[in-house]
Amino acid sequence: QKEVEQDPGPLSVPEGAIVSLNCTYSNSAFQYFMWYRQYSRKGPELLMYTYSSGNKEDGRFTAQVDKSSKYISLFIRDSQPSDSATYLCAMRRMDSNYQLIWGAGTKLIIKP
Amino acid sequence: EAQVTQNPRYLITVTGKKLTVTCSQNMNHEYMSWYRQDPGLGLRQIYYSMNVEVTDKGDVPEGYKVSRKEKRNFPLILESPSPNQTSLYFCASSPRTGLNSPLHFGNGTRLTVT
Repeated sequence: QKEVEQDPGPLSVPEGAIVSLNCTYSNSAFQYFMWYRQYSRKGPELLMYTYSSGNKEDGRFTAQVDKSSKYISLFIRDSQPSDSATYLCAMRRMDSNYQLIWGAGTKLIIKP
Repeated sequence: EAQVTQNPRYLITVTGKKLTVTCSQNMNHEYMSWYRQDPGLGLRQIYYSMNVEVTDKGDVPEGYKVSRKEKRNFPLILESPSPNQTSLYFCASSPRTGLNSPLHFGNGTRLTVT
């Protein structure tokens, strides 16, 4: 079983919809949670990061962490065609210098 | 412009022919890393470097070598490539070893080994 599970999609939604992207994990030692966005033929870029449980909002994006359920989510409000990309979750233990564990990524398609 | 530059973008080679993928960053970052990305498996770390002359194995180091002689460069060397090393490779760097330091990625090198 993988440490981090992420549905690969593709997830196709109409423009303007609210999008929910999710990852589950098995290691309760994970403390830092990140979402990266990867456009086609590009490297991933950091979108948001959160520490421990709770919500963090940045414009149209909200990252949510539920440590009791070992579940993280990324919500995108008022989705735009430019949001079409692959979204990767990543997480790190508190005691780990740089060991990031990655989800496989969810491909998101926003239809105009 | 601050960036991580990988070369080449595309590479087709044959089994056993040594190759090097270069990676250079102009942000004076201490930390650099190589990943491979395969469908359904996500990003897997090959090697990383905390600073000049300091390198360590990641999750999938077999068949790869790296060196960090200068802060800006971190080449990935495949001494004897095999078809199972066909993948999309990314180099990444980060300014420090803080837990929330973002990784800056290059645009990838797609390697095909026949």
